[in-house]
Amino acid sequence: DADVTQTPRNRITKTGKRIMLECSQTKGHDRMYWYRQDPGLGLRLIYYSFDVKDINKGEISDGYSVSRQAQAKFSLSLESAIPNQTALYFCAVLKGTGELFFGEGSRLTVL
Amino acid sequence: DQQVKQNSPSLSVQEGRISILNCDYTNSMFDYFLWYKKYPAEGPTFLISISSIKDKNEDGRFTVFLNKSAKHLSLHIVPSQPGDSAVYFCAACHNFGNEKLTFGTGTRLTIIP
Repeated sequence: DADVTQTPRNRITKTGKRIMLECSQTKGHDRMYWYRQDPGLGLRLIYYSFDVKDINKGEISDGYSVSRQAQAKFSLSLESAIPNQTALYFCAVLKGTGELFFGEGSRLTVL
Repeated sequence: DQQVKQNSPSLSVQEGRISILNCDYTNSMFDYFLWYKKYPAEGPTFLISISSIKDKNEDGRFTVFLNKSAKHLSLHIVPSQPGDSAVYFCAACHNFGNEKLTFGTGTRLTIIP
């Protein structure tokens, strides 16, 4: 399958700290995504990338930045974490069949 | 502005009976719809999809129905099994394969043995 790996799986940090969530995939898919899940709000798109030189904002990009270091790697950064960024974060790739394949998620808690 | 809505946060169904999960959308540009299933501590997994040129798509125990005039779709699971207990997300996009899925808020389905 698409084999999407997210690290860390769980992270607790304090307000104002810089945090990076990493995502890697092994199948060479061009398109990668970062979503955020909150209770009662579903999954919301933060950023997406069509290839290394193509980065696009999603619906809730404020407070986040991304880096596509290579085709296989797409990192999400919170430059100065705040409590309302406490959420479950998912990386995903777009498979050739058209569906998104998600990683197992990174749970971030900002105190 | 929630363009994809799942108005039932939770649903309980007896094992063996039919589960019906509903989804409404407001954006008339959406032309492809998907259902994802999510277990705790796992990422969402693709379940079934339907193009706007169809009104029904079936895959084993799962059938998705699309009513374009009502901007409504539903997922039917029959017969329901305990392993179907999960959160189900409806998603929609314009131009299939064009990346930007808009997700609903999810419905937690519990199958009662």
